Amino acid sequence: SYELTQPLSVSVALGQTARITCGGNNIGNKNVHWYQQKPGQAPVLVIYRDTNRPSGIPERFSGSNSGNTATLTISRAQVGDEADYYCQVWDSSTAGVFGGGTKLTVL
Amino acid sequence: QLQLQESGPGLVKPSETMSLTCTVSGGSISSSSYYWAWIRQPPGKGLECIGSLSYSGSTYYNPSLKSRVTISVDTSKNHFSLKLSSVTAADTAVYYCARQADFYYYIDVWGKGTTVTVSS
Repeated sequence: SYELTQPLSVSVALGQTARITCGGNNIGNKNVHWYQQKPGQAPVLVIYRDTNRPSGIPERFSGSNSGNTATLTISRAQVGDEADYYCQVWDSSTAGVFGGGTKLTVL
Repeated sequence: QLQLQESGPGLVKPSETMSLTCTVSGGSISSSSYYWAWIRQPPGKGLECIGSLSYSGSTYYNPSLKSRVTISVDTSKNHFSLKLSSVTAADTAVYYCARQADFYYYIDVWGKGTTVTVSS
């Protein structure tokens, strides 16, 4: 089965750039999607197909994917960006696969 | 604006079958462009895909749950359902229903989630 690896936590200073990674075998050959989940709320799609932002998601959120690592980048981090972030890919043998999630803290 | 709402018992006894329904409003469940999915999240843990299906009946199930899961759609009621049999405490979780884009399989609409506790 396909596995995705994320760091448990990432910290970033207010106004700086946060990068959250998602590792997987040849993940660059897959479409990676990213979700933001705040406590007590359902997840929200922030990036789909590696680099695309849904309407309503700030331009500060961007994504990239190459080789064995996909990355979610949050520029000019704000306190409101504090949340858990999950990467996801589709694998026909396992339905959908999520990474374990990364807790983002803005200092 | 499409909205999804989960409903079902919040407490299920061990070994029983839990059933949840997701009612779709603001759009049709019969769209060929989407799959309809169930995802769960145990307390304090990450997200886990349970499975998804299209209105035409194509299904994908998480192999670790496949033997216990049935997902079905009722187009006349514009809702879809989840049945999970032989539940244990490990099935205690928040259960989300969601809309999943066809082909790329990202989830663009989520329900608010419903908590299911397995306990005697």
